[in-house]
Amino acid sequence: DIQMTQSPSVLSASVGDRVTLNCKASQNINKYLNWYQQKLGEAPKLLIYNTNNLQTGIPSRFSGSGSGTDYTLTISSLQPEDVATYFCFQHNSWPNTFGAGTKLELK
Amino acid sequence: QVQLQQSGAELVKPGTSVKLSCKASGYTFTSNHMNWIKQTTGQGLEWIGIINPGSGGTSYNVKFKGKATLTVDKSSSTAFMQLSSLTPEDSAVYYCARRGILDYWGQGVMVTVSS
Repeated sequence: DIQMTQSPSVLSASVGDRVTLNCKASQNINKYLNWYQQKLGEAPKLLIYNTNNLQTGIPSRFSGSGSGTDYTLTISSLQPEDVATYFCFQHNSWPNTFGAGTKLELK
Repeated sequence: QVQLQQSGAELVKPGTSVKLSCKASGYTFTSNHMNWIKQTTGQGLEWIGIINPGSGGTSYNVKFKGKATLTVDKSSSTAFMQLSSLTPEDSAVYYCARRGILDYWGQGVMVTVSS
């Protein structure tokens, strides 16, 4: 199975900050990497699919990049409503696997 | 709009089975695969498997083979997951999610396995 490692596990930032979350795969996943946001008590929500494609309805402050084994989610200007846990997910090869998540908090 | 409506919370006894449902609306059910995902505090998010509602074809995470069985009812646009031989380790929130990219998710259903 492909292992997905997210860093940091917890990130504290201020409103307006540029925030970067990282996800590293144990092998090349050919950009089949998605990012999800999960708020407390809710289902995960798709933000970015296939590395850099913004899902419909998601604010443009979210963006994704990467290739090979290393991927990044960037929030250009952190908003209070962005407080959540963020998961990466690879769907390059079965079984599809998730990272353990980065919990984003307000400083 | 796309909606996936899951059945309600379940409290079940060890050794029994439970069948969870996920009713789809707002799109062509048979044209989009359906995934099932398990979430626990300890193990995080785990992909269980995927079903093609059009053909009934399935693929499972090896970890869940023999534990989970995925089926659909095309007439009601509903996907099902049966979990068998339940143990406390099966206690979790289970989600259905559409397509390989998991673009839409159900609200989740909490399954508690306890005597």
